[in-house]
Amino acid sequence: EVQLVESGGGLVQPGGSLRLSCETSGFIFSNYWMHWVRQVPGKGLVWVSRINVDETSTDYEDSVKGRFTISRDNAKNTLYLQMNSLRAEDTAFYYCARALVGGNYLLSWGQGTLVNVSS
Amino acid sequence: DIVVTQSPDSLAVSLGERATFNCKSSQNILYSSINKNYLAWYQQKPGQPPKLLIYWASTRASGVPDRFSGSGSGTDFTLTISSLQAEDVAVYFCQQYFRTPYTFGQGSKLEIK
Repeated sequence: EVQLVESGGGLVQPGGSLRLSCETSGFIFSNYWMHWVRQVPGKGLVWVSRINVDETSTDYEDSVKGRFTISRDNAKNTLYLQMNSLRAEDTAFYYCARALVGGNYLLSWGQGTLVNVSS
Repeated sequence: DIVVTQSPDSLAVSLGERATFNCKSSQNILYSSINKNYLAWYQQKPGQPPKLLIYWASTRASGVPDRFSGSGSGTDFTLTISSLQAEDVAVYFCQQYFRTPYTFGQGSKLEIK
């Protein structure tokens, strides 16, 4: 069974940092591109970032460029999102998702972890 | 950035009737050399993550009932539920994956009439 489990969310003050993790199982992690998508509760989906299979290519949504860093550890089947200089507008559920090489539609998603940026 | 706009924002349909959602991209998302439209549809039920329904604009994902179908090309796309079931109540999102940032539509909420 394919599983993606996010962790690392929580309450953080503006300007602070968090590191999200996405532990995966049930598929060959190193064969898939991985993505982060966020959603303010009750609102729409916003694509945040993606990484290719060997970390040689990453991409970010403009509002997080220079503040967020996506990475992966293929030996641990885990995806990460380092989030620095957090702002109130970063408050959202953060989902990790996997995508096949050659087509970045999001095959399966984790349950999400909530990041709350507030003083 | 490619802007993706969905319509309607909400829709109420009777059980057994057809539901249709539209998705419009601000740019052509057909990669003509391979004849593929880089558009996906997702279903999100309350308290759950999104679930992939359709990719390449018209290919159903594994396990998705055949009452769900996708169509369209270029900039205009449609998701159709041929005969609404109670479990289809959800918000439906389309997404372009032609070019980053991989933008989503704002979502269309489906309710039972």
